[in-house]
Amino acid sequence: GAGVSQSPRYKVTKRGQDVALRCDPISGHVSLYWYRQALGQGPEFLTYFNYEAQQDKSGLPNDRFSAERPEGSISTLTIQRTEQRDSAMYRCASSTLGGRFDTGELFFGEGSRLTVL
Amino acid sequence: SQQGEEDPQALSIQEGENATMNCSYKTSINNLQWYRQNSGRGLVHLILIRSNEREKHSGRLRVTLDTSKKSSSLLITASRAADTASYFCATDAGAQKLVFGQGTRLTINP
Repeated sequence: GAGVSQSPRYKVTKRGQDVALRCDPISGHVSLYWYRQALGQGPEFLTYFNYEAQQDKSGLPNDRFSAERPEGSISTLTIQRTEQRDSAMYRCASSTLGGRFDTGELFFGEGSRLTVL
Repeated sequence: SQQGEEDPQALSIQEGENATMNCSYKTSINNLQWYRQNSGRGLVHLILIRSNEREKHSGRLRVTLDTSKKSSSLLITASRAADTASYFCATDAGAQKLVFGQGTRLTINP
């Protein structure tokens, strides 16, 4: 497809399990972002990549959260030992610009809704 | 942390009226962007205004930016039922990432 694709769309897991969320950006987009959005709130920045390099991971809540983009295209956000407070919508976005001084338009996927029981 | 704060949190108007939403932010920016989100779906980019611009138009949308007051406004003219959505401002403060506000929930009544 032409847009940003995320999978799974819905994930229900038990507390303590690991989950992996996948993002397939728009072909050719240099930058890839991960955000988390609670119900009724704005997206909260987690991390971003330019190509395969993770440029900023300051928004990752703790060391249970990690992300990778090994070939500069598809990215995986992994949450280890999930907790109920991790329940949220996880959104991926991509952008054409990899420049240092200006962030352009972000194209968002539909998100992965994570529920931790 | 949230940089932008939208005002009001919720707005309900009649179809055909104009809707104005405001965004305030705290630090200097490279650009400010507005996004729309329908019913929990993905965010859609509406318009980008750079720090050296004061006003920008796109169809029925008009965005203003006042860097001295660290504020922006989004005006939607001649509103339609399809404009019902949440609207978010997002600021680029130079770290190549966008920081989003909490959003304004806009309801257009027929």
